[in-house]
Amino acid sequence: GAVVSQHPSWVICKSGTSVKIECRSLDFQATTMFWYRQFPKQSLMLMATSNEGSKATYEQGVEKDKFLINHASLTLSTLTVTSAHPEDSSFYICSARRGGSYEQYFGPGTRLTVT
Amino acid sequence: EDQVTQSPEALRLQEGESSSLNCSYTVSGLRGLFWYRQDPGKGPEFLFTLYSAGEEKEKERLKATLTKKESFLHITAPKPEDSATYLCAVQSFAGGTSYGKLTFGQGTILTVHP
Repeated sequence: GAVVSQHPSWVICKSGTSVKIECRSLDFQATTMFWYRQFPKQSLMLMATSNEGSKATYEQGVEKDKFLINHASLTLSTLTVTSAHPEDSSFYICSARRGGSYEQYFGPGTRLTVT
Repeated sequence: EDQVTQSPEALRLQEGESSSLNCSYTVSGLRGLFWYRQDPGKGPEFLFTLYSAGEEKEKERLKATLTKKESFLHITAPKPEDSATYLCAVQSFAGGTSYGKLTFGQGTILTVHP
């Protein structure tokens, strides 16, 4: 159990366009989902935390108007990168946590390249 | 602010050569310490959660231990397929908007040669 999927696994988009990434918990209900960003040879940096039905909480320095997060159900969260620029190119990873549990289970990640 | 430091940054072992990875942490009230394995281009894979000093957990060739200041991931008789980046993360008892937040170390890149 505790499987998390992400779609797409990779995406290439042009500068100025928007991209949506989906994160789904396949076999459990996720009361909280997290979005991370990882640069090459670096560790994971938390971008935001989202609870089902509530507004996301963003980490300091993360632009909430640029990285739109929606947690519409207990199994789905989406991250939309608006007006993407080359510096937004990165590896985006989501994780999900069951209610009453402390472990976070991670998705396989989405590689975003903005040209 | 929670801090996690992992050492060494990189570790090269021969197949069968046992060793340990270190994770030192400072946190205002430890809720849990987590170990993950990450393969290149993939998301982290959950390995262990440790909650209190003295606790130990094992899975195949891996054993994780916890003290009040650090955690060790012991690898016994490693195989080439154990090659990966091993990440340590802590979660504190801080509530509010920080609830559930994981603070990660930089990771240890393990390479096991046949």
